Amino acid sequence: GENVEQHPSTLSVQEGDSAVIKCTYSDSASNYFPWYKQELGKRPQLIIDIRSNVGEKKDQRIAVTLNKTAKHFSLHITETQPEDSAVYFCAAPGGGTSYGKLTFGQGTILTVHP
Amino acid sequence: GAGVSQSPSNKVTEKGKDVELRCDPISGHTALYWYRQSLGQGLEFLIYFQGNSAPDKSGLPSDRFSAERTGGSVSTLTIQRTQQEDSAVYLCASSLGHTASRRKNTEAFFGQGTRLTVV
Repeated sequence: GENVEQHPSTLSVQEGDSAVIKCTYSDSASNYFPWYKQELGKRPQLIIDIRSNVGEKKDQRIAVTLNKTAKHFSLHITETQPEDSAVYFCAAPGGGTSYGKLTFGQGTILTVHP
Repeated sequence: GAGVSQSPSNKVTEKGKDVELRCDPISGHTALYWYRQSLGQGLEFLIYFQGNSAPDKSGLPSDRFSAERTGGSVSTLTIQRTQQEDSAVYLCASSLGHTASRRKNTEAFFGQGTRLTVV
């Protein structure tokens, strides 16, 4: 099955700085890579995703890059704001009979200091 | 429906009792997932349904855990003879499906979770 590793586990930045979170995956059949944000006490919500036919995708202050050869993908948040503080999870679906099942990374606690 | 709905939102049970957690997915979503999240931890996969069948049950921690889905809609997760280590938030998610040709099908929407406390 798919194995997803996420780093760092915690990340502390000053407001206005950039934040980068990295994930690696093991199953080369994975072709969809979402990122979820989970605020304290709330459900995870999708913030951006990328499919394997593109290398980068941007949506305002957030972007995701994908390197299929190296099997890693990263979340980039620019001009961070205190409301970006949350836990961020990456995920990958794997392939074969488990295609569609999302395996999540362990999460990154992002703290943005005003 | 408005979103994925889970019930109850909170459940306190005594060790050794059975509990049933319910998930109502978004209407039309064929894929349904159960995850477990312990305090401050990541999302641990439990089981995945495509329609009424479960192609992947590999995450169920023990034979005390079981899940079913009927009519391709509502799912129940049952934990028998609960133990204190079962205490966690149980999250359900649903998506339209996982066909490669339809990009947005793979977005998973989460419910608010059921917080289970075993005392």
